[in-house]
Amino acid sequence: QVQLQQWGAGLLKPSETLSLTCGVYGGPLQNYYWSWVRLSPAKGLEWIGEVSYYGSTLYNPSLRSRVLISIDLSKKQFSLRLSSVTAADTGVYFCSRDQRFSRGWYGDALDIWGQGTVVSVSS
Amino acid sequence: SSDLTQDPSVSVALGQTVTITCQGEGLKTYYASWYQQKAKQAPTLIIYGENRRPSGIPDRFSASLSGDTASLIITGIQAEDEADYFCFSRDISHSHLAFGGGTRLTVL
Repeated sequence: QVQLQQWGAGLLKPSETLSLTCGVYGGPLQNYYWSWVRLSPAKGLEWIGEVSYYGSTLYNPSLRSRVLISIDLSKKQFSLRLSSVTAADTGVYFCSRDQRFSRGWYGDALDIWGQGTVVSVSS
Repeated sequence: SSDLTQDPSVSVALGQTVTITCQGEGLKTYYASWYQQKAKQAPTLIIYGENRRPSGIPDRFSASLSGDTASLIITGIQAEDEADYFCFSRDISHSHLAFGGGTRLTVL
């Protein structure tokens, strides 16, 4: 059974960089896409971006200038860096596995999730 | 503004049926997936593709698609179904992914 376990600092000051890592246990990274999602009272669920098992990335346009998502196949991990954080970046951050369907029909399914990391940005 | 539009809230009596909709141009090409989200817990995938349920999701949950509008249908509503529901798919240009704004389901 595949599990995702995430870790990283949850208390930040404005202008600092958020850094989170997600470990993949019990299954391969290959053939999947790996996403970061955040939850906030103001915006609900917000897709931050993704990295493919071969390293290509796709980001939310509203966050693209501040986001970097990377993958390390040897460590079976993928990571999120969000720079210049403000109070608006406060929320719960989740990592997730995306099953992308592109044969016969098209769609995505975020089927496995990390436990979440509470991130608070405050001076 | 979101690429996927959902009604903010809906209420339904115990045992009844509710339909939650998600509208977006991208849905003409890409299926939506649907998620149940409670408090600060990780979301749960409940529907993906045309109308597929992951293992463990009851068949009270189903989905349909008409044009640019995807629908999540929950029959025989139970108290435990009270939650926020989000759709997820691609934007109109297919250049990125996005969640709908979410629908808060209240069980009366």
